[in-house]
Amino acid sequence: KNEVEQSPQNLTAQEGEFITINCSYSVGISALHWLQQHPGGGIVSLFMLSSGKKKHGRLIATINIQEKHSSLHITASHPRDSAVYICAGVQETSGSRLTFGEGTQLTVNP
Amino acid sequence: GAGVSQSPRYKVAKRGQDVALRCDPISGHVSLFWYQQALGQGPEFLTYFQNEAQLDKSGLPSDRFFAERPEGSVSTLKIQRTQQEDSAVYLCASSLAYAPRRSPLHFGNGTRLTVT
Repeated sequence: KNEVEQSPQNLTAQEGEFITINCSYSVGISALHWLQQHPGGGIVSLFMLSSGKKKHGRLIATINIQEKHSSLHITASHPRDSAVYICAGVQETSGSRLTFGEGTQLTVNP
Repeated sequence: GAGVSQSPRYKVAKRGQDVALRCDPISGHVSLFWYQQALGQGPEFLTYFQNEAQLDKSGLPSDRFFAERPEGSVSTLKIQRTQQEDSAVYLCASSLAYAPRRSPLHFGNGTRLTVT
């Protein structure tokens, strides 16, 4: 069982829809990164959080420490949001190693 | 530079050849990470540097893989006697802080290695 699991694997939405991507993680993960990967490989860091909620533009990330669960929300989705979204957990014991989820392929249709 | 730069962008190697992949992190970034991403999968950790010290190399898949960061800035990932299973995108990331829970990661665009 992977230490970081994402759902759904694939998500198709219509422009304007509210989108939620979920990430569950195991004991030993102390913080989470949400990343966006566009075709061609470039990865952009969206959020890093260990508690609470962060917002940047139309993106919102939340984390529930007790439930070991994090969500990434996109409001008023747009075709340019189409990408792979990855959550990655920081291992408490390692301090350096990130464990990546398998990613969610998001497609937003106009 | 403005971001993390990796070169070459694409590399095709014949099985058995040695390859060297370069990463230029953001100036002043303490931490540098190498990841391997196979097609359709999430990245897998390879190794981590804090300045010039390689603190974690537990993700390197075999002794054919070697990484260095001799002056605490530019890093090179070397793969000796390449095999087909080495075909992947190799990603480099850097961060300002000493641990990835302390500051955001900045990724390069990766080097796509194809071993024929």
